[in-house]
Amino acid sequence: GAVVSQHPSWVICKSGTSVKIECRSLDFQATTMFWYRQFPKQSLMLMATSNEGSKATYEQGVEKDKFLINHASLTLSTLTVTSAHPEDSSFYICSAPGTTTDTQYFGPGTRLTVL
Amino acid sequence: KNEVEQSPQNLTAQEGEFITINCSYSVGISALHWLQQHPGGGIVSLFMLSSGKKKHGRLIATINIQEKHSSLHITASHPRDSAVYICAAERNYGGSQGNLIFGKGTKLSVKP
Repeated sequence: GAVVSQHPSWVICKSGTSVKIECRSLDFQATTMFWYRQFPKQSLMLMATSNEGSKATYEQGVEKDKFLINHASLTLSTLTVTSAHPEDSSFYICSAPGTTTDTQYFGPGTRLTVL
Repeated sequence: KNEVEQSPQNLTAQEGEFITINCSYSVGISALHWLQQHPGGGIVSLFMLSSGKKKHGRLIATINIQEKHSSLHITASHPRDSAVYICAAERNYGGSQGNLIFGKGTKLSVKP
């Protein structure tokens, strides 16, 4: 079946640095990918919709200048957390809709810890 | 009030029991998703449905559009079913698939 991968699976960084998270669709093309985050003991929340060849669409309250999204190809979207702060520590997950089935394929997630 | 509400929050069952998890939503939707999240965080999509009922193995999902309610049933539960089950409403924007509002999840623990 379709697989979505994320890299890295976990990252620890210092406050003020930037972190890039990759989301790849491994055996299918995804013109659209979605980025979510999940704080401890809270629901997943959609952050933004990544569109290949055009600007990402951000949900209300998500700073586009802080969370940079680049959908460079039909199989890769990246999320860069710029000037990370401890409150950005979270579990970041991407997903991509399947091309032939009514489903979403989720990546395994990236756990970000900002010290 | 959350737009997607799940119940119960926590559920402990004995192996073999029939399990039901409920989800109510208050927004217009194009589809309703049931997801399974394992302790490591990885998420698996179980069902996406917009009407009626779907079955996959021991899992059954139903939705009542008029009542804005969906249920996930697990028959003959097994310890490996232990996970967090999440209901997610796909908003009826007419736009991109995947614009999801998530419930808080139901943590299921099945004891042997």
